[in-house]
Amino acid sequence: GNSVTQMEGPVTLSEEAFLTINCTYTATGYPSLFWYVQYPGEGLQLLLKATKADDKGSNKGFEATYRKETTSFHLEKGSVQVSDSAVYFCALTFNAGGTSYGKLTFGQGTILTVHP
Amino acid sequence: NAGVTQTPKFRVLKTGQSMTLLCAQDMNHEYMYWYRQDPGMGLRLIHYSVGEGTTAKGEVPDGYNVSRLKKQNFLLGLESAAPSQTSVYFCASGLWSRTDTQYFGPGTRLTVL
Repeated sequence: GNSVTQMEGPVTLSEEAFLTINCTYTATGYPSLFWYVQYPGEGLQLLLKATKADDKGSNKGFEATYRKETTSFHLEKGSVQVSDSAVYFCALTFNAGGTSYGKLTFGQGTILTVHP
Repeated sequence: NAGVTQTPKFRVLKTGQSMTLLCAQDMNHEYMYWYRQDPGMGLRLIHYSVGEGTTAKGEVPDGYNVSRLKKQNFLLGLESAAPSQTSVYFCASGLWSRTDTQYFGPGTRLTVL
């Protein structure tokens, strides 16, 4: 079956540090890949996505590149802020067609804390 | 435009009690989903619906039932709550034509004693 594995957390950084959160996946076929972010006390929000190999998703200074050869979708940001403190989830789904119906498979989540 | 809303926000139950969680969306989405979030396990799909009057099982459906009588509402029921159902429950919705995007509600924190 499909699965998503994220790096173990929590991750603690100082403001302006470089962030990498690793994500690898196992899937039959070619899924779409996502990063969702969950701020304290809130639901999940889509941060960025990529729907085919070599696509780069980006938003709010975060980036991730869909690497089919390494089945990875690592999240990066060059300079984190205190306001980036949240839980980050990597996820996959399959596009329209078949019986996927947009169901998401999530990684376990990575807690990021950024200190001033 | 409220997006996806969930009621209640918090609930404490005793083992064996029943309850219904309500999810409502105002975006005219065909697809709706119920997930549960547990520490270290990410979100897992409980049940989903691809349209009014239809429901299907997800990854962890045991102990839950759902109904989608109206397109905008998706109800999650616990007939006899167990401590293992202590979790945070999230509802989400999406378009059939864009199965790669889901919109999430704020969540319901349920504790079963």
